[in-house]
Amino acid sequence: GAGVSQSPRYKVAKRGQDVALRCDPISGHVSLFWYQQALGQGPEFLTYFQNEAQLDKSGLPSDRFFAERPEGSVSTLKIQRTQQEDSAVYLCASSLEEGTRSPYFGPGTRLTVT
Amino acid sequence: GQNIDQPTEMTATEGAIVQINCTYQTSGFNGLFWYQQHAGEAPTFLSYNVLDGLEEKGRFSSFLSRSKGYSYLLLKELQMKDSASYLCAVRDDTGRRALTFGSGTRLQVQP
Repeated sequence: GAGVSQSPRYKVAKRGQDVALRCDPISGHVSLFWYQQALGQGPEFLTYFQNEAQLDKSGLPSDRFFAERPEGSVSTLKIQRTQQEDSAVYLCASSLEEGTRSPYFGPGTRLTVT
Repeated sequence: GQNIDQPTEMTATEGAIVQINCTYQTSGFNGLFWYQQHAGEAPTFLSYNVLDGLEEKGRFSSFLSRSKGYSYLLLKELQMKDSASYLCAVRDDTGRRALTFGSGTRLQVQP
């Protein structure tokens, strides 16, 4: 496809379970971002990759959150020992190199922790 | 720190014009973005301002005043499909690539 894709689109996890969320960026896009969007709020930055290098992880809320992009394309956001406050939509976005004005967002994964 | 404020909700009539305001206080400035987000969907890019003034793109226009830390999104000839959330986002000048978003303005267009 031409856009950013994410899977699964919906995930229900029981508290304490681990989850893995996948992002397929637009082919050739160097930059990749993860954002967390709570209901009724704007997206909040989690982490940023340039190719396979994680250059900014200042937004990750705790050490239960881990992201990787080992080959500089697909990325996975992993949340260990999920808690109810982790319930949110997780958005992935990608963009070309420096100079691109706006990243392209994927449809998101809605995570519900019960 | 960064702080971005925009109204929570607005209502307007089909065919009318609506202006959604955004004020920001950030550690430096390197561009302001507006996105449209329909419920359950990804944010889609509407406009980008980095210099003062008005950027026009069809029915949508965006204005920026850097000295006032202020922007607005103007939507003309409103259509029912314009009912959505509108997000204001700012990029700072620290070299950090992340965007800081406001909470969004939920616009309801009525017949």
